[in-house]
Amino acid sequence: GESVGLHLPTLSVQEGDNSIINCAYSNSASDYFIWYKQESGKGPQFIIDIRSNMDKRQGQRVTVLLNKTVKHLSLQIAATQPGDSAVYFCAENMGADSWGKLQFGAGTQVVVTP
Amino acid sequence: GAVVSQHPSRVICKSGTSVKIECRSLDFQATTMFWYRQFPKQSLMLMATSNEGSKATYEQGVEKDKFLINHASLTLSTLTVTSAHPEDSSFYICSARATSGEFVWNEQFFGPGTRLTVL
Repeated sequence: GESVGLHLPTLSVQEGDNSIINCAYSNSASDYFIWYKQESGKGPQFIIDIRSNMDKRQGQRVTVLLNKTVKHLSLQIAATQPGDSAVYFCAENMGADSWGKLQFGAGTQVVVTP
Repeated sequence: GAVVSQHPSRVICKSGTSVKIECRSLDFQATTMFWYRQFPKQSLMLMATSNEGSKATYEQGVEKDKFLINHASLTLSTLTVTSAHPEDSSFYICSARATSGEFVWNEQFFGPGTRLTVL
């Protein structure tokens, strides 16, 4: 995904609804993808990951979908809660010879309204 | 487990001074650590890859003489911002990748970040 942006897209979600956050990545050689949550003034927090040999992975209240054909990644959060308000980043591992370097997407600000 | 700390959490310095930021893996060994910079409302930008016992690898556009990285042990990497200027003000975040063992392959653990303000 694009790693430089002048502003963060915002997703406003009502408490209890499901959230879907999308991410487009650029490198077809990327073999591992991660979603992170970042609260204001803190470091990124791991949410869920997926390897390129999978197209879906589920965690607690979260699901990641990977579509390699169109280089698209999504994060679904079920029953969104106020504590889910944060910025969400997708990140792609740049391939086996990249020593684990990650490229981060632009991020999406999720705002949960009561 | 898998805790990464950074020190200091916040630092304010005068223009022209140097600032050192520490990144520690508290309960695991990290052969590789990464340093990122994040400006307000923007994404994390990888600055450099820090490898224990060898020279750091810098991303394109990042001045190695400006941002000195030392990875002297398997649990500590330091980033020194030399002759800091106001444009260096940013949120600096490190991450550490576990060498092996109980952690998921290639998983990185992030520190809480250091807010640098240069006056």
